[in-house]
Amino acid sequence: AQSVTQLDSHVSVSEGTPVLLRCNYSSSYSPSLFWYVQHPNKGLQLLLKYTSAATLVKGINGFEAEFKKSETSFHLTKPSAHMSDAAEYFCVVSDRDSGAGSYQLTFGKGTKLSVIP
Amino acid sequence: ETGVTQTPRHLVMGMTNKKSLKCEQHLGHNAMYWYKQSAKKPLELMFVYNFKEQTENNSVPSRFSPECPNSSHLFLHLHTLQPEDSALYLCASSELTRTAPEAFFGQGTRLTVV
Repeated sequence: AQSVTQLDSHVSVSEGTPVLLRCNYSSSYSPSLFWYVQHPNKGLQLLLKYTSAATLVKGINGFEAEFKKSETSFHLTKPSAHMSDAAEYFCVVSDRDSGAGSYQLTFGKGTKLSVIP
Repeated sequence: ETGVTQTPRHLVMGMTNKKSLKCEQHLGHNAMYWYKQSAKKPLELMFVYNFKEQTENNSVPSRFSPECPNSSHLFLHLHTLQPEDSALYLCASSELTRTAPEAFFGQGTRLTVV
């Protein structure tokens, strides 16, 4: 079984300051991990993904995340927040469901990021 | 634009109505998914189709009935819904590969049951 815990339901930062959104996971297999972003009234857009290559993953819009197996973490960071970053962010873990033969995505509950001017 | 299109974007229906949600993808993917997103709850996987065959039904009530006529189209037929079924319904598609594929999501249908 796999699970994802996003440690903060809401994070508020000032524009131009760093962003840290925390995510811990558990998985029976070697997981793949993703971060998605959802702007109001929009679908989910992939920010970045980790699939057992480099542990530091760079994504779109200046975001990056580091896979730390010893800490079972995959925190999302950005050096300098922009107003357009205000959205909800979802950490997702995926591993193969041996029964169905398909990949199962398990979503965290989401972290709402507010950016203060 | 992700390449996954959902219609309608908004839907209001009574509890005795029958309606359908439509999802279309032209990305050449062979897996399609329905998710339910309710306020303050994690995304819930409802159905999975691989190569047009349903491979997952996460204990979804029978008032939700999926249909996948081909690998580009996915429907969710709705009947006798309850107010608690009001939510954002998201369709996604992905490519079945050896490594975990990312899912591409549509913009969702905001459903309100009155």
